[in-house]
Amino acid sequence: EIVLTQSPATLSLSPGERATLSCRASQNINSYLGWYQHKPGQAPRLLIYDASNRATGIPARFTGSGSGTDFTLTISSLEPEDFAVYYCQQRRSWPLTFGGGSKVEIK
Amino acid sequence: EVQLVESGGGLVQPGGSLRLSCTTSGFSVSSNYMTWVRQAPERGLEWVSSLFSDGSTYYGNSVKGRFTISRDNSKNTLYLQMTRLRAEDTAVYYCAKHLLLQSTTYNWFDPWGQGTLVTVSS
Repeated sequence: EIVLTQSPATLSLSPGERATLSCRASQNINSYLGWYQHKPGQAPRLLIYDASNRATGIPARFTGSGSGTDFTLTISSLEPEDFAVYYCQQRRSWPLTFGGGSKVEIK
Repeated sequence: EVQLVESGGGLVQPGGSLRLSCTTSGFSVSSNYMTWVRQAPERGLEWVSSLFSDGSTYYGNSVKGRFTISRDNSKNTLYLQMTRLRAEDTAVYYCAKHLLLQSTTYNWFDPWGQGTLVTVSS
């Protein structure tokens, strides 16, 4: 099973600031990594697939990068609606796995 | 518009059974890949099970042999039959459609339903 480790667990930032989230895989997953945003009481939302491709309707301030074992999600300038929990997920092999999540909270 | 609505959650005793439904609209369940993901209280997301359009099924290790994923094409509905439930199965269960791009399906989940809460407790 591929283990995904996300860091930091919590990131305290102000609106307008840049957020950088990390996801590290326990083995090479090529570019088969995605990112989701999840707010309390809402459905999770796909942001990025295959490491760097934005899903439909996702604003350009969300950027994914990386390959192999190290991946990054960058939010260039935080909007109030961006404060949420972010999860990475791999599709390299079964079982499909998620990281433990990174919470972006308002400072 | 693609929509997914889960139902069937509730309180069940350890060892009991429950069937979750995911009613969909805007697309055909039979010709798409579908998945269940859960989130235990104060925990992260956990992939549970997937059903492909060709009928192939996949299960997470923690539910294999206890849960069964299926669909009813006439009702455009996805199901998750859960048996021998344990306290650690307590979670919000989400159904999701797999991402379809230019006739190719990927193991990314988009969109998701709002979820249904399953509580396993005596």
